[in-house]
Amino acid sequence: DIQMTQSPSSLSASVGDRVTFTCRASQSIVNYLNWYQQKPGKAPNLLIYAASILESGVPSRFSGSGYGTDFTLTISGLQPEDFATYYCQQSYSHPQTFGQGTKVDIK
Amino acid sequence: QVQLDQSGAEVKKPGASVKVSCKASGYTFANYGITWVRQAPGQGLEWMGWISAFNGDTNYAQKFQGRVTMPTDTSTSTAYMELRSLRSDDTAVYYCARVSRGYGYGFYFDFWGQGTLVTVSS
Repeated sequence: DIQMTQSPSSLSASVGDRVTFTCRASQSIVNYLNWYQQKPGKAPNLLIYAASILESGVPSRFSGSGYGTDFTLTISGLQPEDFATYYCQQSYSHPQTFGQGTKVDIK
Repeated sequence: QVQLDQSGAEVKKPGASVKVSCKASGYTFANYGITWVRQAPGQGLEWMGWISAFNGDTNYAQKFQGRVTMPTDTSTSTAYMELRSLRSDDTAVYYCARVSRGYGYGFYFDFWGQGTLVTVSS
């Protein structure tokens, strides 16, 4: 199975900050990497697929990059509604695995 | 608009089975797949498997092989997840999600159900 490792596991930030977190795969997954946002008690919400394609309706302050084993999600100008947990997920091979998540909370 | 509506919360005893439904609307059901993801209390997301609503092909995570089935009923645009021989560590919220895919994009889960809490307790 491909292991997905996210870092950091949590971070504290302020409204307006630019935040970046990473996701590393245990082997190459080319660009088959998706990012989801989850708020407490809610289902995950797709933000980015294929490493860098912004899902329809997602604000442009979210961006993704990477290829192979190393990927990043950046939020340019953190908004109050962005405090949540973010998960990466690989779809290169079954089982499709998620990272353990990065929780973003208010500093 | 695309919507996935899941069945309500369940309480089961160890060793029992549970069947969760996921009714899709707002799109052509047979053109997409359905995946199931679970989340134990306070934990991360765990992929269980998926089914193509087009041809019924399935792929289950090895962890659940032999204990899970994920049939669909295209006449009612409904997907199901049945998990057997329940244990206390199966207590979790179970989500269905629509699977989209594109050439060079892989799979991605673009619409999700609201989740179904399954509690396994004696």
